[in-house]
Order: sequence, then structure tokens, then C-alpha cells
Amino acid sequence: QKEVEQNSGPLSVPEGAIASLNCTYSDRGSQSFFWYRQYSGKSPELIMFIYSNGDKEDGRFTAQLNKASQYVSLLIRDSQPSDSATYLCAVNMSPSSASKIIFGSGTRLSIRP
Amino acid sequence: GAVVSQHPSRVICKSGTSVKIECRSLDFQATTMFWYRQFPKQSLMLMATSNEGSKATYEQGVEKDKFLINHASLTLSTLTVTSAHPEDSSFYICSAGDRGALDNSPLHFGNGTRLTVT
Repeated sequence: QKEVEQNSGPLSVPEGAIASLNCTYSDRGSQSFFWYRQYSGKSPELIMFIYSNGDKEDGRFTAQLNKASQYVSLLIRDSQPSDSATYLCAVNMSPSSASKIIFGSGTRLSIRP
Repeated sequence: GAVVSQHPSRVICKSGTSVKIECRSLDFQATTMFWYRQFPKQSLMLMATSNEGSKATYEQGVEKDKFLINHASLTLSTLTVTSAHPEDSSFYICSAGDRGALDNSPLHFGNGTRLTVT
């Protein structure tokens, strides 16, 4: 079982709709969770991070975390063509200060006009 | 926000030569930096954890003698790909967390180095 799993997609969503990206992780002791966006040929850029169960909203983005189910998701409201990218779920697998972050394989999102 | 600078952004080298990639944290101190590699259409794979003042910790399957990591200061880590071969061609990305922030704070990424070995 992979440590961080995502559906590779592509996920196609019409412009203006809500895009829902999902991620599951294997380490029940994981403490922090991140969503990064990566455009082709570029480095990942941080979209959101979440540490506690529940929802966290930032503009058009909402991260949702359910530690009991080992599940984290990202919702993008009012999707725009510029949101088309690969979204990487990342999990801090250990609470220590030298802990490493493991990435999922990413979900390709395509927003169609 | 925290900025990580990576240099060079692109390098082409001949097989058998060595290439050094630098990663600098510009406005924060980083006791730990991470080196990732990404092949086309694949996710980021952690290669090693670079620790300031001590040896790097390599992930399983990553040859420490081939990928030399030096973290001599709190703001600089280098990755040297020794005796590069075409199969080493990849996108190498460094990242760092702000030492002054929470232990579980997000990583900030450099812009990556695209290495092509001919």
C-alpha cells in the first residue's frame, strides 16, 4: 500500500463548478497535511495546509481532514481554467522536527471552459 | 513568505561528468532541507534529507555515493550528482522548512533544476 494515495485523473470539471480532490494516507500518526499545485515543468506551490479534523477555508479553496478515516480532500469552488494543474497531496509522516513529507502521485485537474 | 532559491534552473552535461545543484533559504534558517526527484508524469520522490552539520539521510534505493549532499550552513545545501548518466536526467527539487516556525510547518520549494545528461 502506498503511503499517500491519490486518483491520478484526469479529473475534468466545467468552469464555475466545484472540483473535489481526494487523498488517503496510511500512517495513522500523521500530523500535518498539505495540498500543493504543480503546473507542468514547474515546482510545486503550496495551496493549503491543515492540521486538525474538520474544514479549513481559504478563498475558493477548502481543505477537509478526517483523521479517523485517514482521508484529506481539497475542494475548489468556482473553478477557473487557471486551476488546471496537477494537485499533490502531501503528508508529514512523523511529528518530529526532522520529519519528512511524502507526496502522493498527484491528480491532474482540467477545467473546461 | 519564505523563499528557497535553487540554482541552476537547467543544466545539460555529458555522461560521466558531475553536476552540483545549490539550494538556499533566503529569508529563514533551515536546519533540514529535503531533496526530491521527479521524472516526467510522476510524483515527487524524496531522495534524501539534508541535515545541517551532519550526514544526510538517504531514502532506500538512493545511492549516497552517487548523490552527494552537503549542508554546511543553515542556509545552504548542495546536491552533487557524480558521474552522471542519461538515466539521471530528471527534475531535481529542493525544499526547506522554516526553523523558526512550527515543526510541522509546510515546506517551501525551490524552482527546481532540470538536469539532462547526454
